[in-house]
Amino acid sequence: DAGVIQSPRHEVTEMGQEVTLRCKPISGHNSLFWYRQTMMRGLELLIYFNNNVPIDDSGMPEDRFSAKMPNASFSTLKIQPSEPRDSAVYFCASSLSGGAGVYEQYFGPGTRLTVT
Amino acid sequence: GQNIDQPTEMTATEGAIVQINCTYQTSGFNGLFWYQQHAGEAPTFLSYNVLDGLEEKGRFSSFLSRSKGYSYLLLKELQMKDSASYLCAVRDRHHTGGGNKLTFGTGTQLKVEL
Repeated sequence: DAGVIQSPRHEVTEMGQEVTLRCKPISGHNSLFWYRQTMMRGLELLIYFNNNVPIDDSGMPEDRFSAKMPNASFSTLKIQPSEPRDSAVYFCASSLSGGAGVYEQYFGPGTRLTVT
Repeated sequence: GQNIDQPTEMTATEGAIVQINCTYQTSGFNGLFWYQQHAGEAPTFLSYNVLDGLEEKGRFSSFLSRSKGYSYLLLKELQMKDSASYLCAVRDRHHTGGGNKLTFGTGTQLKVEL
């Protein structure tokens, strides 16, 4: 299995530009998570989907952030317009869910975003 | 909601044993996870506890006390490659809509020295 795939791996953009991050979860997983990690705040959950439906977006910082999951094998996180404080590593993770079980989350390699 | 606390940094010697503690407060509990994250890499799953007691997996063990809101990760026979950040995460029991939401602590940076 290829694991969780994220693209791009690195993104450098100027303030005000739109940024789109992409994620392909592990085949068969029905939960998908978007996290942001910074030195100051650690690993924060932004939003998660279950069976392609957004369940909890309480971690999305503001309206500049949006996420979609049009099908079971693809999700995007969009920032428009981007700001320097959005600079962070963004991780996508996927897992199975439902009923009792461990259901550990598998993380993608992350996208390192720098907004200048 | 969740509140998770773990030490920021720890240092230990190669070959020794180290214990990394995690305390949590939660409105609902459905399991505690430990993840390892090397610098510049993604977190990877280490262990899971949902019942009280010790779970052993090779050189790594994890302990849980639900009544005390306490867990620890025990690393034995430390190796240089164990230098990494160790993240404690709690799964919320009272979550509607299904899914598998985790709240992560800020991580403990472990440095293994010769």
